Amino acid sequence: GESVGLHLPTLSVQEGDNSIINCAYSNSASDYFIWYKQESGKGPQFIIDIRSNMDKRQGQRVTVLLNKTVKHLSLQIAATQPGDSAVYFCAENIRLPSHTGNQFYFGTGTSLTVIP
Amino acid sequence: DSGVTQTPKHLITATGQRVTLRCSPRSGDLSVYWYQQSLDQGLQFLIQYYNGEERAKGNILERFSAQQFPDLHSELNLSSLELGDSALYFCASSVAGLGAGEQFFGPGTRLTVL
Repeated sequence: GESVGLHLPTLSVQEGDNSIINCAYSNSASDYFIWYKQESGKGPQFIIDIRSNMDKRQGQRVTVLLNKTVKHLSLQIAATQPGDSAVYFCAENIRLPSHTGNQFYFGTGTSLTVIP
Repeated sequence: DSGVTQTPKHLITATGQRVTLRCSPRSGDLSVYWYQQSLDQGLQFLIQYYNGEERAKGNILERFSAQQFPDLHSELNLSSLELGDSALYFCASSVAGLGAGEQFFGPGTRLTVL
């Protein structure tokens, strides 16, 4: 499958600080990216998405940045809270002419720990 | 609660056996996706169905098959089970068939093959 890699497997931040989680993707045909949060014992939960025609998208306390030149994606969490502790995955949707559906490829995940 | 339901929550079986995992998508969602999450391989996309038809295939083994029924629920069939098939299996649903869009994940089925 395609490679979606995360630079840091673990990240610890102080409560109230900003967190940045990075992700590299490999396929230029990827046109849609999503960040998911997965808490222990639960399924992944959508956080924010971005299409390839955008560089930045903001949500509530979260911002996703997309740099297509270097195939890099980042998730910024402002004022990190203990409830943000989870594993964060980036996922890319690779759109090829032969595809009639969506092929999502996930990174291995970054574990974020918020220190009170 | 995402609105996606999966049964059973846990499944313990032996090598060589066959199991069926069930998923009910959110009301109104036409697409169903199946994923496998194991410790060593992370979250792997298996297959997507849209309104009863297969739309995309990922890293799904030939021993595995899926289908989506007219009421839009889906089943993932795993046969000739091996120890390495032990994993969490997630189902997700979305409105769109093509063009992505937010996926909503179920709580997962934990499969243990002994």
